[in-house]
Amino acid sequence: AQKVTQAQTEISVVEKEDVTLDCVYETRDTTYYLFWYKQPPSGELVFLIRRNSFDEQNEISGRYSWNFQKSTSSFNFTITASQVVDSAVYFCALTFTGGGNKLTFGTGTQLKVEL
Amino acid sequence: KAGVTQTPRYLIKTRGQQVTLSCSPISGHRSVSWYQQTPGQGLQFLFEYFSETQRNKGNFPGRFSGRQFSNSRSEMNVSTLELGDSALYLCASRSDLRGYNEQFFGPGTRLTVL
Repeated sequence: AQKVTQAQTEISVVEKEDVTLDCVYETRDTTYYLFWYKQPPSGELVFLIRRNSFDEQNEISGRYSWNFQKSTSSFNFTITASQVVDSAVYFCALTFTGGGNKLTFGTGTQLKVEL
Repeated sequence: KAGVTQTPRYLIKTRGQQVTLSCSPISGHRSVSWYQQTPGQGLQFLFEYFSETQRNKGNFPGRFSGRQFSNSRSEMNVSTLELGDSALYLCASRSDLRGYNEQFFGPGTRLTVL
């Protein structure tokens, strides 16, 4: 069975602070795919990143960076110099080879960035 | 390229009624999936369609059904609505069934059952 745990329900930071959102996953599959999505108040899930299980390279995209560690089954997301526009709910998700479109989502982390 | 579109955006129904939600995927995408989002259960997979065939189904009762048309547009239907069906229903599309392809989500249909 697949499981994604986002232990942080809500995080509040002041603008320009760095913030890390944690994601821990469980799967028995050797080939799987991890995703992060952002859900602003409008409700639409916005794709941020995909990572394959066989590629442990960390990735940086502007102020966003992701740390994938298979040894700890974690796929953490860091926002550097947070901005008010980063306020949203962030979801980590998992699927596996043969899983088709079936994404297993974590419960999400509500990020509030205040001035 | 236009994104995933869903209609209607908001819907209010009463218990016992049925409802049909529509989703148009990104042009060229042949896979459509549906998710239900509620405060209590979070995001849960409903079903997935590819080339008009249901390929995968989540753990929902038979009141929830769907279909996909030859132009890849999809509809989902909920019959005999219950209060607990109040949720944001999200549709997602992607080009094919390969696991590493990301899904692109629509804005959702917010269904309220009174």
